[in-house]
Amino acid sequence: GAGVSQSPSNKVTEKGKDVELRCDPISGHTALYWYRQSLGQGLEFLIYFQGNSAPDKSGLPSDRFSAERTGGSVSTLTIQRTQQEDSAVYLCASSMGQGVEQYFGPGTRLTVT
Amino acid sequence: QKEVEQDPGPLSVPEGAIVSLNCTYSNSAFQYFMWYRQYSRKGPELLMYTYSSGNKEDGRFTAQVDKSSKYISLFIRDSQPSDSATYLCAIGYGNNRLAFGKGNQVVVIP
Repeated sequence: GAGVSQSPSNKVTEKGKDVELRCDPISGHTALYWYRQSLGQGLEFLIYFQGNSAPDKSGLPSDRFSAERTGGSVSTLTIQRTQQEDSAVYLCASSMGQGVEQYFGPGTRLTVT
Repeated sequence: QKEVEQDPGPLSVPEGAIVSLNCTYSNSAFQYFMWYRQYSRKGPELLMYTYSSGNKEDGRFTAQVDKSSKYISLFIRDSQPSDSATYLCAIGYGNNRLAFGKGNQVVVIP
């Protein structure tokens, strides 16, 4: 079946603009995760959804970052007033319920100029 | 101290060699231990995971966990050029939140 999809695959934006990144999880997966991967930092956890609720937002780096999930499916990560340090690959993953196996999408490469 | 330490240095080996990768971690509360493989410009894909100390084999891959030393390893036997990728250790607890190492880039030379 279809895997996790993310859009756009690449996004170039000017400093100060807002961006929205989209994640479509695997059908039936109730858990959804956002991570950020930047050079030299590895993969960092941002936020976790179980259904439409986000019980763990502890990885969001600032209040410029927010995320929502609707219908227990699609999720959007929004970054307001982007800064150059926000440049990274944003990865989404999903899993079945409390399942250990997280399946990752291909990521959105964000470049802030 | 970072939760998971993985020396990010690249590793080049000749085809057929054994690749050995390892990570250390600091939090005893971690419950499960995973290895992901990531090809360039792709998302990570899960190779294998385990909950307990000891070895777990899957084909040419062996994951090893030593909870007393807080040390995990991945061995790749009979390495192939198609194994060239970045390998990430990941450790999880609680709500399946994962803490990742920085990754090792492995190049298998034909």
